[in-house]
Amino acid sequence: TQLLEQSPQFLSIQEGENLTVYCNSSSVFSSLQWYRQEPGEGPVLLVTVVTGGEVKKLKRLTLQFGDARKDSSLHITAAQPGDTGLYLCAGDFGNEKLTFGTGTRLTIIP
Amino acid sequence: NAGVTQTPKFQVLKTGQSMTLQCAQDMNHEYMSWYRQDPGMGLRLIHYSVGAGITDQGEVPNGYNVSRSTTEDFPLRLLSAAPSQTSVYFCASSRTTGNYEQYFGPGTRLTVT
Repeated sequence: TQLLEQSPQFLSIQEGENLTVYCNSSSVFSSLQWYRQEPGEGPVLLVTVVTGGEVKKLKRLTLQFGDARKDSSLHITAAQPGDTGLYLCAGDFGNEKLTFGTGTRLTIIP
Repeated sequence: NAGVTQTPKFQVLKTGQSMTLQCAQDMNHEYMSWYRQDPGMGLRLIHYSVGAGITDQGEVPNGYNVSRSTTEDFPLRLLSAAPSQTSVYFCASSRTTGNYEQYFGPGTRLTVT
């Protein structure tokens, strides 16, 4: 069973600060997705990355896929209270199914 | 479009009882799946279906059954509930295979006493 490790497990920062969360595996991903989940709801896709070294920017979010396709990072600039939630990475290890990480629970303090 | 809908939202069962969690999608997606979410464990795949009439086991299938008689519906049956099945259950669908964007329902919080 492939494992995805996410760090940190919990993160609490002040509004306006920057943050980075990480997703790591010992195996190579075919592709990697990042989801955000708010309390009482299902996860919602933020972005998919498929190419090693790929960087995607979505407004204040920057997603990076490692060159070796074993790791990824999610950077948020100038965090806002609306960014609060559980951030989940999900990797496809070539079997056309997603393996989810354990998540980073992010709290932005106004 | 309603997207992915799940019922019930909350459920309490006694050990040994059976029940069915309902899931429906109106996006004409071929792929549907069930996950359970437990603290510190992330989302784990229970069962999945690549189309009507086809189902397969995921990572944690024991104690659960599924069927896919139509493209729209994918119910999850608990045969004899156990406290270890206390969890939040999510149904998801995607356009083709399981590595495409997953659209999740709002979840069912199940407690087994």
